[in-house]
Amino acid sequence: QSVLTQPPSVSGAPGQRVTISCTGSSSNIGSYDVHWYQQLPGTAPKLLIYGNSNRPSGVPDRFSGSKSGTSASLAITGLQAEDEADYYCQSYDSSLSAWVFGGGTRLTVL
Amino acid sequence: QITLKESGPTLMKPTQTLTLTCTFSGFSLSTSGVGVGWIRQPPGKALEWLALIFWNDNKYYSPSLKSRLTITKDTSKNQVVLTMTNMDPVDTATYYCAHRLHTGVKAYDYWGQGTLVTVSS
Repeated sequence: QSVLTQPPSVSGAPGQRVTISCTGSSSNIGSYDVHWYQQLPGTAPKLLIYGNSNRPSGVPDRFSGSKSGTSASLAITGLQAEDEADYYCQSYDSSLSAWVFGGGTRLTVL
Repeated sequence: QITLKESGPTLMKPTQTLTLTCTFSGFSLSTSGVGVGWIRQPPGKALEWLALIFWNDNKYYSPSLKSRLTITKDTSKNQVVLTMTNMDPVDTATYYCAHRLHTGVKAYDYWGQGTLVTVSS
């Protein structure tokens, strides 16, 4: 049971916009940055968004992140078949004194 | 270009001690601000953060596993070693090492391919 809560699954048709939520508390998201990772089937995770809303070089601007209070969101616009993957949020938790990941969200492109 | 690669045993018996090595290139763990962490993922399950070591030898461990983990670095060999004692079948997972900076992009921005460790009697 992760301290960061994500929906187990989301889906959308090609071209649509989807959002993935990550809900935490004042000891994690409420006080620290959120990062997002994309994990394509059978591969290692890849950094998608860092510092709540920043994209590393090479990440398409179809991907965007935001944070408000104790929740964060990842938005994907212009959904493509290649976006089908697992997505994880990550933050630091001061109560646990540990970095924590969300439970992951599987994105299915219909 | 930054690369990392994990190595170690693929099959272990319960109670044994796991030693994993992360060999990296493209950066130095003697450079201020640089760190290497370990993250694992049981089959079909979520990522779990394990440990992190920085250039200044500061070390951080998952509270739930702290008594079983040790992370060390060998700057001359560009390696980070993670040991986990008293392995159990629930520790079966793919173990990843990843690069992280202490400032700026404070996220795991480069990952190894991962190594699957199976614990079974």
